[in-house]
Amino acid sequence: DTEVTQTPKHLVMGMTNKKSLKCEQHMGHRAMYWYKQKAKKPPELMFVYSYEKLSINESVPSRFSPECPNSSLLNLHLHALQPEDSALYLCASSQVPTGENTIYFGEGSWLTVV
Amino acid sequence: GENVEQHPSTLSVQEGDSAVIKCTYSDSASNYFPWYKQELGKRPQLIIDIRSNVGEKKDQRIAVTLNKTAKHFSLHITETQPEDSAVYFCAASKGDSSYKLIFGSGTRLLVRP
Repeated sequence: DTEVTQTPKHLVMGMTNKKSLKCEQHMGHRAMYWYKQKAKKPPELMFVYSYEKLSINESVPSRFSPECPNSSLLNLHLHALQPEDSALYLCASSQVPTGENTIYFGEGSWLTVV
Repeated sequence: GENVEQHPSTLSVQEGDSAVIKCTYSDSASNYFPWYKQELGKRPQLIIDIRSNVGEKKDQRIAVTLNKTAKHFSLHITETQPEDSAVYFCAASKGDSSYKLIFGSGTRLLVRP
């Protein structure tokens, strides 16, 4: 089973709202990732969690706040977003946090900021 | 840092023909090269990958070749079918703790029936 599950699939939020994106995997993977993908572009890395600890933050604005409650769950808290933050947000995981391990993506959460 | 260039940006082929997508990378330390297929509105899905100790890998109609000296790798799809139509991304990473997967810009493949 190579399943990474994300909720919600679609989210529309105002610029003053607070919302969260959720991600879950039950593959025993110890690395989890958040990527952002704009239309017709490749995924861009935002955050990496390694053994439940934040190990990489790709200079992401503080209006995006990741959280890893346990080894199976990853959240992305959203607050005071801008319309340009509208994108597909992809959660992913890999067995261990080294570069030669396969990264499995979830179906993504389509975010629209109005 | 690593940079991955991918060509062509769009590719249109007749059903049954072959399709080839090429990528070059800049960091000679990169040693893992996956290819992802992304259908419209769907997630990127791994279709094949290759590690630097291998020059070629094949899985049915899909093959990937790697030339470490020239720092380029290619995806080959034979006997293309309409369901192969999608965006294909190459990527590269190093097998150490710097587990950033660097993607190419993508190739939109259209297979004409």
